[in-house]
Amino acid sequence: EADIYQTPRYLVIGTGKKITLECSQTMGHDKMYWYQQDPGMELHLIHYSYGVNSTEKGDLSSESTVSRIRTEHFPLTLESARPSHTSQYLCASSESGNNEQFFGPGTRLTVL
Amino acid sequence: EDQVTQSPEALRLQEGESSSLNCSYTVSGLRGLFWYRQDPGKGPEFLFTLYSAGEEKEKERLKATLTKKESFLHITAPKPEDSATYLCAVHPSSGNTGKLIFGQGTTLQVKP
Repeated sequence: EADIYQTPRYLVIGTGKKITLECSQTMGHDKMYWYQQDPGMELHLIHYSYGVNSTEKGDLSSESTVSRIRTEHFPLTLESARPSHTSQYLCASSESGNNEQFFGPGTRLTVL
Repeated sequence: EDQVTQSPEALRLQEGESSSLNCSYTVSGLRGLFWYRQDPGKGPEFLFTLYSAGEEKEKERLKATLTKKESFLHITAPKPEDSATYLCAVHPSSGNTGKLIFGQGTTLQVKP
């Protein structure tokens, strides 16, 4: 079944740790996105990719980095996590021809 | 500046009590308007895409309409399982990215 997956679903870590949030999709979509969402707030785009080896920063400034080595995989990395990084991170993908974005279940990150 | 505003922020309905959610937008050209449903702790679930004024889409108890300045999500005879946050997003014509601009959402609670 075509889908989009995120792991882990929940993560609690200490300040200064390096973390990688995983996102994979089996729909063959070229475009992939990372959003950040705080409780009760709107989604903000932090990174996007149009295809392999293509990554761009979104509107919301983020200390995270991303890579797109394979079409189906779009991991997000924080080199040194801080409490201000506590949030929900949502991954999405869409076909090249339209912008109907399909979202993963999200990763809720808590940095102590 | 491109902007999306949803109202009301929260809505409580009795089961069977029909109502409408509003999404007002200001964009420099519209490529598409999207409605999503988001349950607590989960990623948004795609509902509809609308492309031009006058367009309507229906799915079960939900009907989305679009004018040049706003979109409505009509909920007919809602059931408790319709309780969720409904998100509106627009894809502006400006720029060459696939980024969506999200509203803050309307949280709907349907009581039995």
